[in-house]
Amino acid sequence: DSGVTQTPKHLITATGQRVTLRCSPRSGDLSVYWYQQSLDQGLQFLIQYYNGEERAKGNILERFSAQQFPDLHSELNLSSLELGDSALYFCASSELAGAGEQYFGPGTRLTVT
Amino acid sequence: QQQVKQSPQSLIVQKGGISIINCAYENTAFDYFPWYQQFPGKGPALLIAIRPDVSEKKEGRFTISFNKSAKQFSLHIMDSQPGDSATYFCAASGWSGGGADGLTFGKGTHLIIQP
Repeated sequence: DSGVTQTPKHLITATGQRVTLRCSPRSGDLSVYWYQQSLDQGLQFLIQYYNGEERAKGNILERFSAQQFPDLHSELNLSSLELGDSALYFCASSELAGAGEQYFGPGTRLTVT
Repeated sequence: QQQVKQSPQSLIVQKGGISIINCAYENTAFDYFPWYQQFPGKGPALLIAIRPDVSEKKEGRFTISFNKSAKQFSLHIMDSQPGDSATYFCAASGWSGGGADGLTFGKGTHLIIQP
C-alpha cells in the first residue's frame, strides 16, 4: 500500500458526460501528479500540482482539468467524454516538487460507453 | 516522439535466472531514472531508481546499470522468482527548464518467470 488513495475505483459513464476523479496524497507529500494508462498510449503524464499550484503540464487534453485543494487532495475533471477516454487514471504523490520518488495510487478505471 | 524506448516487450525467464530489461532515452535533461513494477489491476510500484552521478545501484535482487554516454539504463533481476512475474516500466524525468517533473514512461515489459 503506497499511502495514496483514489476514488472511485471504477466509473462507468456515457459519451458527452463529465466525471470527477479524486486523489489523496501520502501524508506529508505536497506534489500530486495525474497519469493516464491505456493500451495504445501506455502510461502518460497529464498534469502536476505542487502545494496547490499547477507546476507542469503533460499530454493533458483541453477537456480535462485538475486542481489541488488546501488540504492537498486533488481532483481530475474530465468533460465531454469520448470513447477514447476509457482508461486507467492514476494519481501519484511525492514529497517535493522536483524529479524524485513518486508513489502511485491504485487507480480509477474509467469506462465510457 | 517516444522519449524512452524499452525492450524487450515481453520476456520469459526460468526460475533462478537473471531477468534483464533495457531502456534508452533521448532527452539529455533527464536526471532521474526509476523502475516501476505493476501487477494486473494495481498501480505501478516504485522498485528502484538512479541518478546519473552513479553507474550502478543495487537493492536486494534488483540492480540498475546506467550508461550516461550511451543514454541507456537497464534493470537486472537476480535469482528471478515466479512472484516477480509482472509488467516492468522504466521511466525518466528531470528539470527541463519548463518545470516538467512528470515521468516519461517506456512502453513496458511483460515478464514471466517460469517455475
